[in-house]
Amino acid sequence: AQSVSQHNHHVILSEAASLELGCNYSYGGTVNLFWYVQYPGQHLQLLLKYFSGDPLVKGIKGFEAEFIKSKFSFNLRKPSVQWSDTAEYFCAGATTDSWGKLQFGAGTQVVVTP
Amino acid sequence: EPEVTQTPSHQVTQMGQEVILRCVPISNHLYFYWYRQILGQKVEFLVSFYNNEISEKSEIFDDQFSVERPDGSNFTLKIRSTKLEDSAMYFCASSGLLGGPQHFGDGTRLSIL
Repeated sequence: AQSVSQHNHHVILSEAASLELGCNYSYGGTVNLFWYVQYPGQHLQLLLKYFSGDPLVKGIKGFEAEFIKSKFSFNLRKPSVQWSDTAEYFCAGATTDSWGKLQFGAGTQVVVTP
Repeated sequence: EPEVTQTPSHQVTQMGQEVILRCVPISNHLYFYWYRQILGQKVEFLVSFYNNEISEKSEIFDDQFSVERPDGSNFTLKIRSTKLEDSAMYFCASSGLLGGPQHFGDGTRLSIL
């Protein structure tokens, strides 16, 4: 079955540390991939997206993600986190069969300590 | 920045009652979606809607569920006879293009007693 999985459920790190969140998908064929962030008490916001082309995608707030087709991965990275990056991060994907149907990973709760 | 708005933010309903969750998508968007997240579980797709009809629905979206765009701005999800297991956070989303980024509302927390 098509799915998206996130490796870490909970990550705690200090300010200025680097962040990498894993995401794997199990689709065959063409896939659109997304990372969303949900700050406490707020709605899901799009961080970045990959449709095609350059596999290294840059998003808002200094985040980037790399699409590695051979590994079915789309990991999210940020070189230096801030306290304000404390949030839950969701990887999501959709395929050509169902472009509108986003499948979400379980989410990773990231806590950045001062 | 335009936003998707959802009302109410929290709905408490007795089991067996009907509930309507309301959403106002971004005004120039054409594709509309409902998702839900049961506490401790993944966000799950329920239904997509385009051109006044359902484009796709999940197995969860059974005959108890319906969606409607009653006017040019609202998009509603109706649950006809609620069950305890319908308790969840329900998110509305919209997009301008099929496959494009979906913009989400703040969600409605539905609690069934």
